[in-house]
Amino acid sequence: NAGVTQTPKFRILKIGQSMTLQCAQDMNHNYMYWYRQDPGMGLKLIYYSVGAGITDKGEVPNGYNVSRSTTEDFPLRLELAAPSQTSVYFCASSYSGRTEAFFGQGTRLTVV
Amino acid sequence: GQQLNQSPQSMFIQEGEDVSMNCTSSSIFNTWLWYKQDPGEGPVLLIALYKAGELTSNGRLTAQFGITRKDSFLNISASIPSDVGIYFCAGLAGNQTGANSKLTFGKGITLSVRP
Repeated sequence: NAGVTQTPKFRILKIGQSMTLQCAQDMNHNYMYWYRQDPGMGLKLIYYSVGAGITDKGEVPNGYNVSRSTTEDFPLRLELAAPSQTSVYFCASSYSGRTEAFFGQGTRLTVV
Repeated sequence: GQQLNQSPQSMFIQEGEDVSMNCTSSSIFNTWLWYKQDPGEGPVLLIALYKAGELTSNGRLTAQFGITRKDSFLNISASIPSDVGIYFCAGLAGNQTGANSKLTFGKGITLSVRP
């Protein structure tokens, strides 16, 4: 039972570099989400998708981009990494907008 | 935007004690969820609530969906050391079909259990 798989688990980036955080789910879920977690701040929604080909901004989308070409995959792209993007990133998926979301194990990103 | 309020930020209890956590909002939610996060892991779903007034148990955990749909609580009975972690409430709003529904999280409560 893979569930939601995120790669990589850890990454250090230099300011201005770009990278893609990968997220894949094997539960045939329609909804997928990207959150960032900062200490004491809970989880803030970056982007979400209600199905392949459809994405929408969450609460904190600036500096990020997403795409959803398949039901299974929802990559998050950082084009010009900044120190403010140092955080733990979680991907999640749910069957619908009224059902619970399941989370991956997270990607810890440090921008120096 | 929609916000969920959880306080205090930290709670310290003795092993064997019961503990209750509240989550409140000024907005109405259609679904309430409670998650637990262990260090270095992603949040794991504990209990899901789908109807106003619903009371659901999962072992030593009990959660209720408030009648006003603006609050929920989680009770943990007879706490044990492995209950340590961060407890998040989350709410789903949106319309009946769930379209445009976004999962909103509280800031979490860090629970410590003294043996």
